[in-house]
Amino acid sequence: EVQLVESGGGLVQPGGSLRLSCAASGFIFSNYWMHWVRQPPGKGLMWVSRVNGDESSTDYADSVKGRFTISRDNAKNTLYLQLNSLGADDTAVYYCVRQGSIGWSTWGQGTLVTVSS
Amino acid sequence: DIQMTQSPSSLSASVGDRVTITCRSSHTIIDYLDWYQQRPGKAPNLLIFTASNLQSGVPSRFSGAGSGTDFTLTISSLQPEDFATYYCQQTYSVPFTFGPGTKVDI
Repeated sequence: EVQLVESGGGLVQPGGSLRLSCAASGFIFSNYWMHWVRQPPGKGLMWVSRVNGDESSTDYADSVKGRFTISRDNAKNTLYLQLNSLGADDTAVYYCVRQGSIGWSTWGQGTLVTVSS
Repeated sequence: DIQMTQSPSSLSASVGDRVTITCRSSHTIIDYLDWYQQRPGKAPNLLIFTASNLQSGVPSRFSGAGSGTDFTLTISSLQPEDFATYYCQQTYSVPFTFGPGTKVDI
């Protein structure tokens, strides 16, 4: 079964840092582009970042560029998102998503990041 | 960046109704348009990819149409489990923007 499981969310103070992880299983992880998408409580979806299979290409939303870093460890079948200089606007559920050949069909359950003092 | 709009932002409907949601992009995206359903507390679920292709396992009452800048999602006969929020998303260019969502309730 294809599965994505996020972890690493929690409460962090403004200006703080956090690293999110996404454990992948059931497919050849290195063959797929992977994305992070976030959703503030009660609001809509926002694409955050993507990385290709060998980590040679990454992209970021302007609002997180320079603060967030996407990476992956194909040996561990794990996707990461390093979040730095966090602000209240970064409070959201963060989803890990697999980009398949026929759409973004696999999403994790999400991990909640709360930025508050 | 490509901006996505959806209309209506919410709608009230009954079981058995035919429902159509419209999504518009600020620039042409050919057919790089996907539709998602999201129930409260759950991750989005892909319904339609590349504008009109039904994702495996999704009921045939869901259909998508459109190209260029104007797209629609239609539910032919609304079922109780379809009450949810629906999002369109363009995958034509980075950043991959989502529409603001359409909430379908009773």
